[in-house]
Amino acid sequence: EVQLVESGGGLVQPGGSLRLSCAASGFTFGTYWMSWVRQAPGKGLEWVANINQAGNKYYVDSVKGRFTISRDNAKNSLYLQMNSLRVEDTAVYYCAREYTGWGFDSWGQGTLVTVSS
Amino acid sequence: EIVLTQSPATLSLSPGERATLSCRASQSVSNYLAWYQQKPGQAPRLLIYDASNRATGIPARFSGSGSGTDFTLTITSLEPEDFALYYCQQRYNWPPYTFGQGTKLEIK
Repeated sequence: EVQLVESGGGLVQPGGSLRLSCAASGFTFGTYWMSWVRQAPGKGLEWVANINQAGNKYYVDSVKGRFTISRDNAKNSLYLQMNSLRVEDTAVYYCAREYTGWGFDSWGQGTLVTVSS
Repeated sequence: EIVLTQSPATLSLSPGERATLSCRASQSVSNYLAWYQQKPGQAPRLLIYDASNRATGIPARFSGSGSGTDFTLTITSLEPEDFALYYCQQRYNWPPYTFGQGTKLEIK
């Protein structure tokens, strides 16, 4: 069974940093693209970043230069380093597996990031 | 960036009725469109990929259609567990992947 478990969320002040982790199990992690998708309270879904098997990374414009996605295939883990956090980054952050040609076929339960003074 | 517009924002129906949800893209996305269901406090679940293909384990009452800029998710004979939020998402022109703003399917 595919499992994705996020951790690392919490309360941080504007301008602060946070590192999210996603532990994957039940599939060959290194062979899949992986994404972070966020959802602000009461709002819709927003794709944040993804990384492919070779380590190539892509970001939505609003986080470029502030967020860094990475992966450790030996540890079956996905990460999101978030710096210079803003109030508008407040959201539940989901780790999601991209099934080629399908979309996001597996999701974690999400971790809440709150940016507030 | 491709903008996806979903309509209606809210759809009020009764169990057993047919639901028709719409997603319109600001430019063609070919058939690279997916639909997701999200229930309160849960992560989204993939329902449909490539406009008309059901994902693994999705009941046959869910179907998708369309291509280019206009897409439809149809749920025949609504079950109580189908009342939820639904999002469309394109993967034709990225980054970024984009989602629609969602349609809330509520019990009438």
